[in-house]
Amino acid sequence: DQQVKQNSPSLSVQEGRISILNCDYTNSMFDYFLWYKKYPAEGPTFLISISSIKDKNEDGRFTVFLNKSAKHLSLHIVPSQPGDSAVYFCAASGAGYMLNFGGGTMLMVKP
Amino acid sequence: DTAVSQTPKYLVTQMGNDKSIKCEQNLGHDTMYWYKQDSKKFLKIMFSYNNKELIINETVPNRFSPKSPDKAHLNLHINSLELGDSAVYFCASSQVRLAGTDTQYFGPGTRLTVL
Repeated sequence: DQQVKQNSPSLSVQEGRISILNCDYTNSMFDYFLWYKKYPAEGPTFLISISSIKDKNEDGRFTVFLNKSAKHLSLHIVPSQPGDSAVYFCAASGAGYMLNFGGGTMLMVKP
Repeated sequence: DTAVSQTPKYLVTQMGNDKSIKCEQNLGHDTMYWYKQDSKKFLKIMFSYNNKELIINETVPNRFSPKSPDKAHLNLHINSLELGDSAVYFCASSQVRLAGTDTQYFGPGTRLTVL
């Protein structure tokens, strides 16, 4: 039973434009959310996180937005760069819960 | 310096065999994990382990067992391999026990193919 879902398996964006990756979760007990980035043949690397006491967290070109009432979070990348092309995983956890990952969204940034 | 390393990178074996995947972290972290990424690309946690507590995902068959000779190592042993065990296995580590409140650092993965 997938508690974290990324409904878009892929996304294609032009270089310089904004990339928006979406994630939905079902467990209202989740209170900590993360985004990981994964290149082929490598392990996921941590990108950015947000706790449920916030609705926005920004780190350079990356911003994560959390809408708790909708159980939805999104990752915004602006401006998008070709090096951002990778698979992005959303993950969520809470007290007593192990980290749950979504299925990933493959982002392709075209030059 | 590789923070979390796994060996081997690729493992091809026959059904019924027993195999191990090794994981080492040089980050000084207290907690280590094993994940399985299946053919649908979902990353699912299998185990969370520190020197005090092993937490097992209840969906993991008991053919899978983690072995930790010391804090820096968490090896994955798999007995009686089945076709459905074919996947990419990732090791990870974090500083604290609670899996979600601390950043996990992942190894490069081991692609296991069972024939």
